[in-house]
Parts: sequence; structure tokens; C-alpha cells
Amino acid sequence: KQEVTQIPAALSVPEGENLVLNCSFTDSAIYNLQWFRQDPGKGLTSLLLIQSSQREQTSGRLNASLDKSSGRSTLYIAASQPGDSATYLCAVERSSWGKLQFGSGTQVVVTP
Amino acid sequence: DAGVIQSPRHEVTEMGQEVTLRCKPISGHDYLFWYRQTMMRGLELLIYFNNNVPIDDSGMPEDRFSAKMPNASFSTLKIQPSEPRDSAVYFCASSPPGNEKLFFGSGTQLSVL
Repeated sequence: KQEVTQIPAALSVPEGENLVLNCSFTDSAIYNLQWFRQDPGKGLTSLLLIQSSQREQTSGRLNASLDKSSGRSTLYIAASQPGDSATYLCAVERSSWGKLQFGSGTQVVVTP
Repeated sequence: DAGVIQSPRHEVTEMGQEVTLRCKPISGHDYLFWYRQTMMRGLELLIYFNNNVPIDDSGMPEDRFSAKMPNASFSTLKIQPSEPRDSAVYFCASSPPGNEKLFFGSGTQLSVL
């Protein structure tokens, strides 16, 4: 059974620092991995999607890497801003389309 | 585009009552998903549809839960009868053809007293 873990559960950094968020999964036979952002009382917003054949994806200040063999993904957010404060979740897609398994998330606070 | 639209945003009901949650996916999207989020269990996939057809409902917790998608622009998740342990945020999400990215609605906060 696939398990997805995100450590730490919470993180606080001063504005301008780079953020490093970790995601680990137990079964390397994944179809893809997605990173989401969730703001309080809101739905999830997809940030980056990495196919199983890819090693990384980039969008603006965000960069996500994937190492299937070690069961790890890392989300980097460069030069953090208070607007980056949110909960970040990773999710792995198993063999079937759409069957995402989510981690429990890392709650990030960026202080001015 | 208005995004995925869910209604109601909040629902408070008493144990034993029927609850119906509604979702309008993004136009042109052919996959629709229902997820449930709780503090204890995180986000769980309940059921998903492709072209209005249920593909996998193995996440539906009990027979009290049912979901329908009568057409490409509307889906419902029904709980009958509701129980306090059903209290959670229920999310609907959709994705377009050939793209695994999910687009989530804002969710329905359900409280069963």
C-alpha cells in the first residue's frame, strides 16, 4: 500500500529565505507526482506536475524534483514571500488515472 | 472560466437527514473527482467519473454514499442518512482531456450534528 509522507508538518521562515519542502513515498511505481497549494478555507491549486519519466519541473520561483528510485520529491520555492504562506501538499498518482494519494501537507508561514 | 463550482459552501444538518452536494466541473473537462478532507485522514478519493461514467467508487465509505453524473456539466454526491462522522470538507475536482492536472472547487464544509 502506497504511503505518502511530508515532513515537517509545519515550517516558518523569514521573508526572502528559500523554502525546501519534502515528500516521500513508499512505492516507486508511480505514474506522476503533483504539488498543490491550499489556502485556508479554499480548494487546492495545482502548482507543478512531474511525470514519472521526468526529473524536475519549474514554474517561476517554484522548482520540483523527483527521484523515483529513492521515493522522494522536493519542492523548492526561491526567495519566499508572505504570499507564499499556505499548506503545500504532494500527491502521487498510481497506475490509474486520477487516483491521487495525498500526503498530509506542510503548513508554511513566511514572516515579513 | 469560473472554475469548478460547488454548492453549498456550508451545510449544517442533523444526524439522519439526507445531504446532497453539487458540483459543476469546468466546461470541456472529461474527468470529475469527489474527494473528502478531514484532519484525521487527510484527503481521500471517494469516486471519479470519466465522460459521465463512474470509473472507480472503491473509496466510497458505505452504501449511505452515492454519486451521480447525469451530464457533463453536473454531478451530485448524496449521503443518506447522514452521520456525525461524515462531517468533513468535500471537494469536487475536474481535469481536461489528456492532462492529469486537477482543478479543485472551493469545497463544501459539511457538519452533521
